[in-house]
Parts: sequence; C-alpha cells; structure tokens
Amino acid sequence: DAKTTQPTSMDCAEGRAANLPCNHSTISGNEYVYWYRQIHSQGPQYIIHGLKNNETNEMASLIITEDRKSSTLILPHATLRDTAVYYCIVRVDDTNAGKSTFGDGTTLTVKP
Amino acid sequence: DTGVSQNPRHKITKRGQNVTFRCDPISEHNRLYWYRQTLGQGPEFLTYFQNEAQLEKSRLLSDRFSAERPKGSFSTLEIQRTEQGDSAMYLCASSLRGLWETQYFGPGTRLLVL
Repeated sequence: DAKTTQPTSMDCAEGRAANLPCNHSTISGNEYVYWYRQIHSQGPQYIIHGLKNNETNEMASLIITEDRKSSTLILPHATLRDTAVYYCIVRVDDTNAGKSTFGDGTTLTVKP
Repeated sequence: DTGVSQNPRHKITKRGQNVTFRCDPISEHNRLYWYRQTLGQGPEFLTYFQNEAQLEKSRLLSDRFSAERPKGSFSTLEIQRTEQGDSAMYLCASSLRGLWETQYFGPGTRLLVL
C-alpha cells in the first residue's frame, strides 16, 4: 500500500469548515483513498472513501485531485465533537485486500 | 447490528503472565483484523482472518502472540509471557469481503504490563 503524508495537527473554529489534506504521491491506479477518525480512547471510525471522483456522505466530503496524488477531507461545519485524530489511508480494494496501513494521522482540534 | 465488541476493555497484568483478549465481530462479517496501537501512533496491523483461516500475519506478531478464530465468528488474541513492551491498545476490526470493503473497529482492549 502507498504511503501517506499528513500534517501533525490542525485547529479549526467551531462552525467553520475543516479541510484536512493528505499527500499520497505514490498511489497506484487500483488504490482507494480511505479516511478514518479516532476520538480519544475509542476505536477508529470510518468516514469516507473514494477512487478518483469526489465523494460526499452525511459526515464529510472527499476531494481527490485529478492526478490522485493528494486529497482533502472536508468537514463542512465542524463541531467540538469532531475533535479527533484523522487518518488518511490508501489501499487496494479488491477481494484479496486485507490490512490497512495507518500513519500517525492529523490531530484536529475544534475550538469554540 | 450491535457493532464490534471487545473484552475486556482494560487489563493490567504482571510481566511474564499470559493474557487473552476476545473480539466479537459484526455478525455477517467474514473478515476479522487485529491491530495494536501505542500512544501517539496509528494502529499497526497484526493479523487477519477470513472466516476461520488466518491469511496474513505481521512481523510484529512474535512467537508469543497467537490468534484464533475457531468457528469463523469470534476471535481470541493470546499473549504469552507478557513484556512491558506489550503495553498498548489492541484493536479488533471486522469487514465483509468484497469491493468497497470498510473495516469497522471495536473499542479496543487496553493492556498494561507492570
């Protein structure tokens, strides 16, 4: 699986959009971008994933650049409960896929 | 759907003792994963099962670690002769094999070896 690079930490004001970047310059054509988050003392929680098109669900939006070398997770209206560590992962998504390789993630702090 | 559950949630043990953790995946999920997470780091993959077959093991999984999933449902992770370096959060995740595979994580078991 390709390696990802994320900033160590970010701050965001409550109610504003949080934009979390991820670089994955060595991504392969069959690798998907996944985002998880981990709130303190809990297990990671799936947020969203995509291949090359932008994706949106009830939690967030995922913007993937045309060359697929980077992506941005957008939380449109951040709340205090969005304070967490956010992990960007790239992995092959086929019937033989197994593990996910996590980096150290971005610690997002949402401030009042 | 009650989610992935893990027991116990916390375990304190003395160095040299054996410990066993249990993971109950989401009922229809045929894949089960174990990860280890130390403070300030992301989860590190240990091993995974498809049904009862253990398909991959990390080099992190030393001879003292063994995992089983005897009937393709719940799984156990045993650590023999624990060492202080084994202190970590042990996370279990499950997924349904196929495209768009998403892993759902349990709350973890926090192990402290004294």
